[in-house]
Amino acid sequence: QQQVKQSPQSLIVQKGGIPIINCAYENTAFDYFPWYQQFPGKGPALLIAIRPDVSEKKEGRFTISFNKSAKQFSLHIMDSQPGDSATYFCAATGKIKAAGNKLTFGGGTRVLVKP
Amino acid sequence: GAGVSQSPRYKVAKRGQDVALRCDPISGHVSLFWYQQALGQGPEFLTYFQNEAQLDKSGLPSDRFFAERPEGSVSTLKIQRTQQEDSAVYLCASSTSSSGELFFGEGSRLTVL
Repeated sequence: QQQVKQSPQSLIVQKGGIPIINCAYENTAFDYFPWYQQFPGKGPALLIAIRPDVSEKKEGRFTISFNKSAKQFSLHIMDSQPGDSATYFCAATGKIKAAGNKLTFGGGTRVLVKP
Repeated sequence: GAGVSQSPRYKVAKRGQDVALRCDPISGHVSLFWYQQALGQGPEFLTYFQNEAQLDKSGLPSDRFFAERPEGSVSTLKIQRTQQEDSAVYLCASSTSSSGELFFGEGSRLTVL
C-alpha cells in the first residue's frame, strides 16, 4: 500500500522554468514532510522539509507548499537550472521527536532542466 | 570520512549465493536505517537500529534478509540465497538522536544473475 503518492513521474522544463512536483498522503499521523534530491549513483540528500503547522516554506530557490486539509504538499523549484536535474522524492514520517522515525517515500520525479 | 560509507558499491551475485553489505555510519550517529531502492522507485524501508538494538525490522521482505549492528556502529545487511528480485540498490542512512534528518550513503548496487 503506497502511503505517499507522487506525481508526475518525470518532468522536463527549460532553464528558468518552475518544475512543480506534487505529493499526497493518507496517514494523518504523518507530521514531518521532507524532500530529498538524488543524483545518479548517489544517495538521496535532504533538500527542504516542512511541518503541517505552516502552509509554505522557502529555502533559496526551493519552496514547499502544504495543504493539511487536502493532505497534499508540493515542491516548486524557482528559476530552475540545469544543475537541478535530478530525481526528487517526497517523504513523510510521524512525530519528529528523535531519531527512529522511518521515512515513507514517494515514487520519485525525474526532473530534467534543459539549458 | 565525514559521510556514510557503504561497501561494496557494486556486487554481482549468482542466484543462490549469500551476500553481505556493509555500512559505516557517521561517527556518533545513534540511529541507522537500511532501505531498498528498486530501479526507478523510491527507497523502501527495511530495518532500523538504535545503537546496537534492532528496533524495527518490519520492512525485511523475507527471512533471507538479516541485519546486525553488534557494537552500535558498523552495520551489515546479509541476504541469503539471493534471488533475482533482490536486485536493487541498498541504501544505508544514519541520524543523530536529536534530528530527524537522515544522511544517506551512496548505496550498494546488487545485481543477482
